[in-house]
Amino acid sequence: LAKTTQPISMDSYEGQEVNITCSHNNIATNDYITWYQQFPSQGPRFIIQGYKTKVTNEVASLFIPADRKSSTLSLPRVSLSDTAVYYCLVGAPMGGATNKLIFGTGTLLAVQP
Amino acid sequence: SAVISQKPSRDICQRGTSLTIQCQVDSQVTMMFWYRQQPGQSLTLIATANQGSEATYESGFVIDKFPISRPNLTFSTLTVSNMSPEDSSIYLCSTRIGIEAFFGQGTRLTVV
Repeated sequence: LAKTTQPISMDSYEGQEVNITCSHNNIATNDYITWYQQFPSQGPRFIIQGYKTKVTNEVASLFIPADRKSSTLSLPRVSLSDTAVYYCLVGAPMGGATNKLIFGTGTLLAVQP
Repeated sequence: SAVISQKPSRDICQRGTSLTIQCQVDSQVTMMFWYRQQPGQSLTLIATANQGSEATYESGFVIDKFPISRPNLTFSTLTVSNMSPEDSSIYLCSTRIGIEAFFGQGTRLTVV
């Protein structure tokens, strides 16, 4: 499974847009990129997944350049409740029920008032 | 989606004893996964549990220490055996449906 590198922590203020970048230089052709969010005392929660270009849902956007060696999770207008750890994962087609998830270090996002 | 009920949510145990953690999924799933998360750290995969076969353990984890059961497609247990203070951690179960992974709320284990 491709290894990922993300900043350990980031700080932001309410109402700002936050961009968290993840490097995955060894990503394979069949790999997808998925982001999860984890609050204290809870299990991780799926945010968004993509293969290339841009994906957007009601929570976030995911930008993936053509070489796919990095990706950026964009959170629009963060609030205090977005304070959490964000994990970037890269792996084989996520549609398969046998695929295990290997978590990297994650990025602790702290949103200030 | 899937809802996973995990229990106990927390426990304090004496060293040398064992604790069994249970996870119940509200739908039938092929694979279940067990993770450990130490304070302030990321999740580390312990093993993958497939119904009807022995669990597959990751490097550094062995069946004698972390026996896993998977009696049917909605249930799994992880036992932490012969506990020591180093086993103090949060243990989470997980499964996947489609492209998403779902997690239990975790079991916070403290070994004294």
